[in-house]
Amino acid sequence: DTGVSQDPRHKITKRGQNVTFRCDPISEHNRLYWYRQTLGQGPEFLTYFQNEAQLEKSRLLSDRFSAERPKGSFSTLEIQRTEQGDSAMYLCASSFRTDTSRYEQYFGPGTRLTVT
Amino acid sequence: AQSVTQPDIHITVSEGASLELRCNYSYGATPYLFWYVQSPGQGLQLLLKYFSGDTLVQGIKGFEAEFKRSQSSFNLRKPSVHWSDAAEYFCAAYPQGGSEKLVFGKGTKLTVNP
Repeated sequence: DTGVSQDPRHKITKRGQNVTFRCDPISEHNRLYWYRQTLGQGPEFLTYFQNEAQLEKSRLLSDRFSAERPKGSFSTLEIQRTEQGDSAMYLCASSFRTDTSRYEQYFGPGTRLTVT
Repeated sequence: AQSVTQPDIHITVSEGASLELRCNYSYGATPYLFWYVQSPGQGLQLLLKYFSGDTLVQGIKGFEAEFKRSQSSFNLRKPSVHWSDAAEYFCAAYPQGGSEKLVFGKGTKLTVNP
């Protein structure tokens, strides 16, 4: 079990550019979550997947944001036309969920995005 | 609205002293409850969780938490703090029977004095 991994760990981009982040969950986990954390705040939910299906999106996820999990394994989060307000830590988490039980979410190290 | 509140933004304790970090939740029914720890620039590590049953929950690194339904609280405790415990601590919850999106408190930053 190698844990949740995220790539890149840091990204600096200029306003208006597009960026894409990748998350690899724990291998047997069927649920994958994206959260955003700004300085001095707790993480806020963005979206989550069960296998390849995107089940819920937060209102925080504007139309400039898109997330995919094409084969039910890794996921990508893309931000188009970045704005300075997008600067944050983007956290990915995964869990194993069945109809009869729920499990805790395990987080990756995060991707720190700085928009200049 | 569902929310998690951590009343203390910053706490300073001396190494070897006991610690209690407060967490209150506001949900229609008892949610599932979690404590995570975050070191600077890092992701979150799960310390412990409460789903049901025994209201005193043991976690990693010598931490424990007590669920009190009457007070809507889930406070984190450690009998003797080590310098390596300095970090930010987040309480989080999601509702039973509902979406599993975690709602986090704003965190409590712990400083440990030698």
